[in-house]
Amino acid sequence: NAGVTQTPKFRILKIGQSMTLQCTQDMNHNYMYWYRQDPGMGLKLIYYSVGAGITDKGEVPNGYNVSRSTTEDFPLRLELAAPSQTSVYFCASSYDRTIQETQYFGPGTRLLVL
Amino acid sequence: AQSVAQPEDQVNVAEGNPLTVKCTYSVSGNPYLFWYVQYPNRGLQFLLKYITGDNLVKGSYGFEAEFNKSQTSFHLKKPSALVSDSALYFCAVRDTYAGNMLTFGGGTRLMVKP
Repeated sequence: NAGVTQTPKFRILKIGQSMTLQCTQDMNHNYMYWYRQDPGMGLKLIYYSVGAGITDKGEVPNGYNVSRSTTEDFPLRLELAAPSQTSVYFCASSYDRTIQETQYFGPGTRLLVL
Repeated sequence: AQSVAQPEDQVNVAEGNPLTVKCTYSVSGNPYLFWYVQYPNRGLQFLLKYITGDNLVKGSYGFEAEFNKSQTSFHLKKPSALVSDSALYFCAVRDTYAGNMLTFGGGTRLMVKP
């Protein structure tokens, strides 16, 4: 199993540009998550999905969009990039969302908006 | 609202010495606590979790954590540190009253010197 994979590893965007961060998992997990990690801060939940076709907002959803057309894929879309979106983005997955379930993380995408 | 605090930005220990990385939490219901480790340019990896039962939890790579309900703490420990333990450590909590959302602390950088 490759686990959770993310592409690209690093990207520089200009203000106002758009891009999609890709996330794929091969563990047949129902739940998927997008987090952002800012320096000195913990991870903040952006969006999550409980299954194909179902998504919901997390703690910091503004400026982002998601879709979940398959169990495996959960792309994150930035429509109008802003400097405040400079961060490291992590995708994660879990089999379910019960209280004790462990989340598995991808290697992250480092995004710089200039 | 639930929260997690990691009071130390960085912990320095000598190889072979015991290490402790501190974590305190605040929840409304029962806490479910996790430790994750992040190596450079990698995603977060699960170390251990406390759900219920024995207050001393053993995890991967020789790490353990002690749940203390009266002090609302979940400190990560290892009897003998290795240089390869140098990484960023995150404590996280889930609260039954907060929709099972996972809240992360700000992280503690562990530096183990030879």
